[in-house]
Amino acid sequence: DGGITQSPKYLFRKEGQNVTLSCEQNLNHDAMYWYRQDPGQGLRLIYYSQIVNDFQKGDIAEGYSVSREKKESFPLTVTSAQKNPTAFYLCASSIWGRDHYEQYFGPGTRLTVT
Amino acid sequence: GENVEQHPSTLSVQEGDSAVIKCTYSDSASNYFPWYKQELGKGPQLIIDIRSNVGEKKDQRIAVTLNKTAKHFSLHITETQPEDSAVYFCAASRVNRDDKIIFGKGTRLHILP
Repeated sequence: DGGITQSPKYLFRKEGQNVTLSCEQNLNHDAMYWYRQDPGQGLRLIYYSQIVNDFQKGDIAEGYSVSREKKESFPLTVTSAQKNPTAFYLCASSIWGRDHYEQYFGPGTRLTVT
Repeated sequence: GENVEQHPSTLSVQEGDSAVIKCTYSDSASNYFPWYKQELGKGPQLIIDIRSNVGEKKDQRIAVTLNKTAKHFSLHITETQPEDSAVYFCAASRVNRDDKIIFGKGTRLHILP
């Protein structure tokens, strides 16, 4: 069953703690993305990676870090420096064809920091 | 930077009627315009897309139109059903390896019984 998995679905942390969100894909996609979703804000890009061992900051990268050691995996760490970490986090991967482009999204992780 | 504006933010439609969601984009080089549907607690899923060399595309009850001159594109859902209730996102991008998809802020569609 191909797709993108994110775990866990719900995550709770105390303020001041770092937390890592998992994202795995078995679609053989080169590119992977992390988005943050807040009510009324749509999808905001945190980081993206087009190939292994390379990644770029998105629009709201401050307080987050990522790694891309394997094609299948793109974990996101929410650090204690992120001022408002409570949000719904979405991972995505994409593929380019001759004239085809689609981003596939995972089911998301809802992070609550208190 | 590039921007995608989406309206309305909330839309209520009687079951069986049509729904229209409109978006405008700022980057004239954008050539790919997908629409995503997000159900509660889930990730967005692509429902239809259109490329800049096409003015309209249909897939059963949904259709998308594109006006490149006005930098405007719209999603049309006909004969709405309860399962159409969701948040819909429009987006714009250039189809190459270096560019990101820019999303609108979403429209929450309510189908009223």
